[in-house]
Amino acid sequence: DAKTTQPTSMDCAEGRAANLPCNHSTISGNEYVYWYRQIHSQGPQYIIHGLKNNETNEMASLIITEDRKSSTLILPHATLRDTAVYYCIVSQRRSGKLIFGQGTTLQVKP
Amino acid sequence: ETGVTQTPRHLVMGMTNKKSLKCEQHLGHNAMYWYKQSAKKPLELMFVYSLEERVENNSVPSRFSPECPNSSHLFLHLHTLQPEDSALYLCASSQETPVGFSYNEQFFGPGTRLTVL
Repeated sequence: DAKTTQPTSMDCAEGRAANLPCNHSTISGNEYVYWYRQIHSQGPQYIIHGLKNNETNEMASLIITEDRKSSTLILPHATLRDTAVYYCIVSQRRSGKLIFGQGTTLQVKP
Repeated sequence: ETGVTQTPRHLVMGMTNKKSLKCEQHLGHNAMYWYKQSAKKPLELMFVYSLEERVENNSVPSRFSPECPNSSHLFLHLHTLQPEDSALYLCASSQETPVGFSYNEQFFGPGTRLTVL
C-alpha cells in the first residue's frame, strides 16, 4: 500500500474552511484515498473516500489531483467539534488494509 | 454512536490476571477487527475476522487471543500481559462484499483503555 505524507498539525478558525493536504506520490491505479478522523479519546471515524474524481458528502469534500499524487480534504465550515487527528490513507479497496500514520492534528480555534 | 460498542471502557489488570475485552456491532456487518493504539503511536491492526474466520493475524503475541463466536460479537482474551501492552484497544466492523473484502470503510467502537500494572 502506498505511503502518505501529511503535515503534523494545522490550525483553523471556527467557521472557516479547513483544507487538509495529503501527498501520496506512489499511489497505484487501483488504490483509493481514504480519510478518517479521530477525536480525542474516541475511535476513528470514516469521513470520505475517492479514487480519482472529486467527492462530496455531508461531512466533507475530497479533491484529488489529476495525477492522483496528492489530495485535499475540505471541511467547509469548521466547528470546534472538528478538532481531531485526521488520517489520510491509501489502500486497495478490495483487499487492502488500513495503515494508519501519524495524521494531521487539526485545532479549530474560536 | 457508531453502532459498535465495546466493554469495558476502562480496565486495569495485573500481569498475572486473565481478562477479556468484548465488542458488539449492531450494523449487520460480516467482518470485524481488533486494533491497538499505544501512546503517541499509530493504530496497529492486530486481527481481522471475516465471516467468523480469522483472516489476518499481524504477528500478535500469543498472550492476546481473539474469538469471534458470530458475526456480531468479537472478543479479545488477555493473559499474562506486560506493562507495554497498556494501550487503547479498538474494535471495528465492516461489510465484505460479494466481490471481495471491503476492509476500508470501517466503523470503530469507542475503545477499551487497558492499563497493565
